[in-house]
Amino acid sequence: ELKVEQNPLFLSMQEGKNYTIYCNYSTTSDRLYWYRQDPGKSLESLFVLLSNGAVKQEGRLMASLDTKARLSTLHITAAVHDLSATYFCAVDRGNQGGKLIFGQGTELSVKP
Amino acid sequence: DAGVIQSPRHEVTEMGQEVTLRCKPISGHNSLFWYRQTMMRGLELLIYFNNNVPIDDSGMPEDRFSAKMPNASFSTLKIQPSEPRDSAVYFCASRLKVLGGQVTYEQYFGPGTRLTVT
Repeated sequence: ELKVEQNPLFLSMQEGKNYTIYCNYSTTSDRLYWYRQDPGKSLESLFVLLSNGAVKQEGRLMASLDTKARLSTLHITAAVHDLSATYFCAVDRGNQGGKLIFGQGTELSVKP
Repeated sequence: DAGVIQSPRHEVTEMGQEVTLRCKPISGHNSLFWYRQTMMRGLELLIYFNNNVPIDDSGMPEDRFSAKMPNASFSTLKIQPSEPRDSAVYFCASRLKVLGGQVTYEQYFGPGTRLTVT
């Protein structure tokens, strides 16, 4: 059974600091997704990583994928309050794509 | 584009009643997904469709749950009879599976339906 584990589950950061969220998964997959969810809201797609070594960046967020280590990271640079949210990684298990198995989520709080 | 549309946004019902959740995917998208989110179990994929055909329903918790997609622009998730443990936020998501000959993977989520079964 595929397991997707994130750590940390809770992260309190100060503005301006850097930090990394880790996403480990237990079986082979070449597709990994990162989503953001604000409290009481829907999920917003951040990144789709499709191959080993893939790196994508958007603003202060950068995601990478190491399929050999079964590890993805979401790096936050110089955090700002607007980044406070819950971040989910998800691994794609479907042959046709789409069967996403989500991690538990990392609740990020950025404080001034 | 209006995005994925779900209705109702909130539903409160009594145990034993039938509940129907509705989803309209983004126009032109040909894959549709139903998810459930709870504090205890997190986000779970219940079922997904490609071109209106159910591909994988292994996440549907039990026979009380059923989903249909009669056409490309509408899907329903039905719970009959409902139970308190079905209380959750149910999300619908859609995806354009193939764009210009390339498979795409990004899923776009709707706002969700918050279901409370008392």
